[in-house]
Amino acid sequence: ELVLTQSPGTLHLSPGERATLTCRASQSVSGHLAWYQQKPGQAPRLLIYGVSSRVTGIPDRFSGSGSGTEFTLTISRLEPEDFALYYCQQSRAFGQGTRLEIK
Amino acid sequence: QVTLRESGPALVNPTQTLTLTCTFSGFSLTTYSMCVSWIRQPPGKALEWLARIDWDGATYYKTSLKTRLTVSKDTFKNQVVLTMTNMDPEDTATYYCARTNSGNYSHDYWGPGALVSVSS
Repeated sequence: ELVLTQSPGTLHLSPGERATLTCRASQSVSGHLAWYQQKPGQAPRLLIYGVSSRVTGIPDRFSGSGSGTEFTLTISRLEPEDFALYYCQQSRAFGQGTRLEIK
Repeated sequence: QVTLRESGPALVNPTQTLTLTCTFSGFSLTTYSMCVSWIRQPPGKALEWLARIDWDGATYYKTSLKTRLTVSKDTFKNQVVLTMTNMDPEDTATYYCARTNSGNYSHDYWGPGALVSVSS
């Protein structure tokens, strides 16, 4: 069974900084890696699918990359609204999440 | 405009069967590659995929919960129904339905979620 491990668990950064979130898979996966953002009390929102394809309407400061077993979500310059919980997902597996908090 | 909404009981007793309905609009579950998945999230915990039903009626279940889950669809009503038997307090969670793309397995539209508590 595929396991996705996200790191770090929590990331403390300031607005304007660059955020790098990592998702590692227990086995090599196809290019079907997705990233979601979740804010308190809300459903997750799809940001990136197919490793690097940005959903329409998602700002271009969000980008995805990676292959094999290691994938990355990068937020180039953090805006106040970006501080949230982020999940990676591949097929039936979700990572445990990375919480992005304001420093 | 694609929308989904979950409905069902907010509270169930242990050992009871939970039935949740996902009512959607803006797409058809008869269209090739369209799927609907159920995903849950216990309070303060991560997302957990439960089940999926595809446009052709194919169904898929989380292996560890396979014996307790059933998913079905009513294409005329634009509804997907999830039943989970033998509910336990550990099943307390927010249950989401989401539209799923069978080509890349991403969930592009989500319902707001339904919080289900299991308690006597």
